[in-house]
Amino acid sequence: GNSVTQMEGPVTLSEEAFLTINCTYTATGYPSLFWYVQYPGEGLQLLLKATKADDKGSNKGFEATYRKETTSFHLEKGSVQVSDSAVYFCALRDSGGSNYKLTFGKGTLLTVNP
Amino acid sequence: SQTIHQWPATLVQPVGSPLSLECTVEGTSNPNLYWYRQAAGRGLQLLFYSVGIGQISSEVPQNLSASRPQDRQFILSSKKLLLSDSGFYLCAWRVKGLGTNEQFFGPGTRLTVL
Repeated sequence: GNSVTQMEGPVTLSEEAFLTINCTYTATGYPSLFWYVQYPGEGLQLLLKATKADDKGSNKGFEATYRKETTSFHLEKGSVQVSDSAVYFCALRDSGGSNYKLTFGKGTLLTVNP
Repeated sequence: SQTIHQWPATLVQPVGSPLSLECTVEGTSNPNLYWYRQAAGRGLQLLFYSVGIGQISSEVPQNLSASRPQDRQFILSSKKLLLSDSGFYLCAWRVKGLGTNEQFFGPGTRLTVL
C-alpha cells in the first residue's frame, strides 16, 4: 500500500535559518504529492503541491520538488520566520480511484525562535 | 465561497459515553467528505470517506461509525467511547471532478476521553 515517511521532529531553528524537512513515499503508479501546514490550534491548510515528476510546488517562500527517481518531496525554505512555527505534513494521493484519499506522514513540528 | 464547519470545537467525555461530531460544508454540492483523526504522536489517519449521501467507506475497523444523512453533512459517532478515541478529529471535503485534487480541512474537534 501507499505510505509516506517524513523526518520526525521536533525541529527547532533560529529566525532566518534554512529549513529542510525530508519526505519520501511509496506508491504505485504516479501519485500527486502535497505539503500541508497546521498552525497551532487550527486545522490543516494546503501549503503546496506537485502532480507529476520534476514539478516544483512553491508558496510563501516554501518549495518542494517531486523527485520520482528518489521518491522524495522534501520541503525547503531559505529563511524561516517565527510565524512559520507549525506542524508540517507530507501527503500523497494515489493516481487511481475516484475517492481521492490522501495518505499522510506523521507530521513534523517546527519551532522557530526569534 | 466554500466553508466547512465542525462542532463542537472541544469536547471532554467519559469512557463509555456516546459521541456525535458534526461537519457541514457550505457553498458546494455533492462533495467527497472525509473524517481524519490526529492522535498524539501518530499523525493523521483517515477514518471514513463518503462519495455521496448514505455512502460510507471505512478505512480502519474500530468502535466509530460515520453517516451522511444529507449531501453536505457528515457525522462521526460512537456508542461507547474508549480512552484511545482521544485525539483531534478533522473533517475535509473535496470537489469531484477537479484536476487539482485538493482537500479542504475544517477547524477540527479536540476530543478528550477520560
